[in-house]
Parts: sequence; C-alpha cells; structure tokens
Amino acid sequence: NAGVMQNPRHLVRRRGQEARLRCSPMKGHSHVYWYRQLPEEGLKFMVYLQKENIIDESGMPKERFSAEFPKEGPSILRIQQVVRGDSAAYFCASSPRTGGTDTQYFGPGTRLTVL
Amino acid sequence: QKEVEQNSGPLSVPEGAIASLNCTYSDRGSQSFFWYRQYSGKSPELIMFIYSNGDKEDGRFTAQLNKASQYVSLLIRDSQPSDSATYLCAGLSYNTDKLIFGTGTRLQVFP
Repeated sequence: NAGVMQNPRHLVRRRGQEARLRCSPMKGHSHVYWYRQLPEEGLKFMVYLQKENIIDESGMPKERFSAEFPKEGPSILRIQQVVRGDSAAYFCASSPRTGGTDTQYFGPGTRLTVL
Repeated sequence: QKEVEQNSGPLSVPEGAIASLNCTYSDRGSQSFFWYRQYSGKSPELIMFIYSNGDKEDGRFTAQLNKASQYVSLLIRDSQPSDSATYLCAGLSYNTDKLIFGTGTRLQVFP
C-alpha cells in the first residue's frame, strides 16, 4: 500500500514564475492537508481539502496561493508569481476521514527553492 | 501566546537513558495530540497519538496527557543514537481537522 506521494521532490523556480506541487493521498484516503515548513520553523497548516471541496483554507495566503483536489487526479497546490519568501518545504498529509483521532500521514514533501 | 509550545532544545541524553520531551497547549478545544519524529531534510513520521488523560505506551515510547494542566509529554526509554531527530508535538482541535504544531524539540542521543 503506497504512502502519500508528492512530486516533484525538489523544485527550483525564478521569482515571478509559477510553482505547481502535486499530492496523491494514500489509497482509501479522501482528505488532504497541505502544510508549509520554513527553514528552522515548525509546520504551519495551509489548507484542508476533500474531493472537489476546500474545507478550510484559513492558513493559506490570500494572494498567489490556491489549492484544488479534483474528482480525478492528485491534489495541487499552486503558487503564482513566486517570491523568495516562498522557499520552503511543502508537505502534504492525508487521512481517511474527519475528526477524532484520525491520523494524518505525511508525504515526503516538495522542497521549493526560489532564486 | 503560541498554541502549542515546545522547548527547542537541543536535549542531549546519553545512549540508554530516558529522554523526556514536553509540550504545552493553550487551546482547551484540542482533543487529540500527536508526536511526530522528523529527521533532518525528511518528512514527519508519526510516533504516537493520545487523546485520553494518562499514559499510553508503545514499545520504547510512552505518551502522557494531562488535560487539566494542558500538558503532553513523550518519554523515550533506552534512547538510541538513531533516535536523534526533531520531535514535533501537534494538537488536533475537536472542531477542526488541522494539526497545530509546536516548533519541535531537537533530541541528541550520544553514544
């Protein structure tokens, strides 16, 4: 049973370009979460999605960032017009259902570097 | 005030000793707590979760939760050099599904 998959593992972009990060949840998991980890900092929640729905995007910057989880295919975190401050590790996690003690399992992350 | 607080460390313990990692939280709505281990440059790996007051043991690991004191801890018995990593404490609120992480405690186990 494959775990959470993320690609690419490393992404380099120049300022002003777009970054697209993909996440495929574990088999049987329909809930996806995106977190960002800045260097030497803890993980910060960005957005929580179910298939075709954004449930909570309270942690996502209002501008330049968007996320989707279509009916078919992976969840995508999109960052438009990247800036150097976007350089971070972006982790995706998935869980089978909401609430209680449902555990979130993390993917390997995408390390974004903005030049 | 941060919602989940951890001492950043590093916490240094000799091999074979007990490592004690602590975490406090401010949101009384937090119902479940998770301990993740993160090696440098890697993703968080779940160690344990706990949602009831008291202790929960799994192998060399024991998680402790005291809701009255808003305190969570992780004990690692017989610490090994391979346990050297950053340990992240996270709380999950009953009303949301987002994990709120502390900044992590770096543990160093020396031979």
